[in-house]
Amino acid sequence: SYVLTQPPSVSVAPGKTARITCGGNNIGSESVHWYRQKPGQAPVLVISYDSDRPSGIPERFSGSNSGNTATLTISRVEAGDEADYYCQVWDTSSDHRVFGGGTKLTVL
Amino acid sequence: EVQLLESGGGLVQTGGSLRLSCAASGFTFSSCAMDWVRQAPGKGLEWVSAISGSGHSTHYADSVKGRFTISRDNSKNTLYLQVNSLRADDTAVYYCAKEGAVSYYMDVWGKGTTVTVSS
Repeated sequence: SYVLTQPPSVSVAPGKTARITCGGNNIGSESVHWYRQKPGQAPVLVISYDSDRPSGIPERFSGSNSGNTATLTISRVEAGDEADYYCQVWDTSSDHRVFGGGTKLTVL
Repeated sequence: EVQLLESGGGLVQTGGSLRLSCAASGFTFSSCAMDWVRQAPGKGLEWVSAISGSGHSTHYADSVKGRFTISRDNSKNTLYLQVNSLRADDTAVYYCAKEGAVSYYMDVWGKGTTVTVSS
């Protein structure tokens, strides 16, 4: 089955840019979706189809996808962005939805 | 407003069964594929199962295939997950999620229901 690899943690200072990666074999040919999960809360979709922002998600959130790496970029990071972030794809060979292991974003 | 409300979780012994429910409102339920996703304590998200809008197509993670059954009642706007032969590693918060219009991603999530399997 398809495997997605995320770094366990990323740290960034307030006001700086955070980049969270999601690695997978030729992931650039897949559509990647990103979720944010704050402690004790359900996940929230922040990016769909590599780079589309749902309504209500700030423009500071953007996504890209090429080659073997997809990236979630958060600009002008705020304390409220501290959360776990997960990437997800649809594995067409099995019809399974697949999540990455998650990345904990810490705002210093 | 789109809402998903899970219920049916609880404490169950190893080998036991539960039926989880997810009541949906605020959208055309029969038009949307739905998923169950779980999260073990301190762990990441794990996709469990998906069902098409009609209910005719279902898919399962290898870890639950043969033990869990997803279903839906479109007349009641309700999604179900029958969980049988429960094991300790099934202990998790179970979320139901609505898939987006073009499917394969989850655009709305419920708050979850907790399943605890104890020996």
